[in-house]
Formats: sequence, C-alpha cells, structure tokens
Amino acid sequence: ETGVTQTPRHLVMGMTNKKSLKCEQHLGHNAMYWYKQSAKKPLELMFVYNFKEQTENNSVPSRFSPECPNSSHLFLHLHTLQPEDSALYLCASSQAETGGNTGELFFGEGSRLTVL
Amino acid sequence: AQSVTQLDSQVPVFEEAPVELRCNYSSSVSVYLFWYVQYPNQGLQLLLKYLSGSTLVKGINGFEAEFNKSQTSFHLRKPSVHISDTAEYFCAVSENKLSFGAGTTVTVRA
Repeated sequence: ETGVTQTPRHLVMGMTNKKSLKCEQHLGHNAMYWYKQSAKKPLELMFVYNFKEQTENNSVPSRFSPECPNSSHLFLHLHTLQPEDSALYLCASSQAETGGNTGELFFGEGSRLTVL
Repeated sequence: AQSVTQLDSQVPVFEEAPVELRCNYSSSVSVYLFWYVQYPNQGLQLLLKYLSGSTLVKGINGFEAEFNKSQTSFHLRKPSVHISDTAEYFCAVSENKLSFGAGTTVTVRA
C-alpha cells in the first residue's frame, strides 16, 4: 500500500461541473505537490505546499484551486474545466522543501481526469 | 539552474536482452539523482537514487545506475529485462527541488 493515497482514481466531469481531487499522505512529510501528466508531455509541476503554505504556483489557470488544510492532506478543486485539462493528476509528498531535503518525492497512483 | 535530458524517448527491447536508458543533467552544484518508473495506469515509484558515496547504485527489480560526474550522466541499466519491465522511466535531478526528464518508454517484447 502506498504512503500517498489519491481519490478518486478516475473522474469524468462536464465542463460546468465542480469536483475535487483528494490526496492524503501517511509519511510524516511536510511538503506536498500536484503534478499534471498529459499524454506525450513531460510531467508539469502545478503547485507546491510547504508546511501548509503555498510556495509555488506554476502559472496554473484559476479553474484549478488547491487547498492544503494540514501537512497530511491536499485537495485540488476543479471547476469550469476544458477538455484539454484531461490528464493524470499526480500528488506527491516529500520532506520539507528546506533543511537538507534531497528532493526525493513519494507519489500517489494518480487521479485520471476526463473532461467532456 | 538544473535540467535533465533523457536521450531516448522510446526503447523497444526483446525479453532477456539488456537495456540501457541514457540520462544527462546540467547543474552548477552537487546534485542528487533519481530514476523513477511508472507502470501503466499507476503513479511514479522510485527505482533508485544517488545521494553520495559509491557511484554505482543498485535499485529494485535488478536495475542499476552509474553516476559519472565528469560526463554529467546517470545512465540506467538492466542486464536482462522481463515483459513486466514495460513501463515509462523518468530520470530526475535535484539540487533541493526535483526536475524530471521527459521520460523513456520501454517496451519489452517476447
């Protein structure tokens, strides 16, 4: 069983729907990440949270809204998405971004999103 | 600034043959190096990592990689692949934040 759990594993939504992706880590980490993985494209870092504070927003459209209520949970709220937003959304966690962090990430299995 | 180049986007290989996946990086400081594997419909799993010490690193599933500082490379190898090694492989480099290469798709055929 992975230390990073993502739900749902699959999601189909219309362009006018509002839905959320959830990520939970049981590794005692203090940094959490959202990545987007589209077919035939490199992994795209979307957001980084370090000790619940957002430290990176990689020019992500506002129709994606992250929330990090504590160091163990991370959400990605979705609304008014476009078909090109269909992708695998990966959550990851790591030791805190500062203070000797090696950068090693621990990934969840991803949420496959299809926007109709 | 750090960057990672995976030189092969697709590598077809026959079962029980050896495979090498090439990775070069650029960085102005000492780095940590990683290989991740992504099986179909799954997230990324760590295969192996180089943090310090011996330049030959052994990972899971019979994979190993060699850190070559002078050539700024971290190539991944396996002497004999199985069908189950069909996956996408990502090289990554970190000064303290991870940067990924574009990935190499390995397809193992019987």
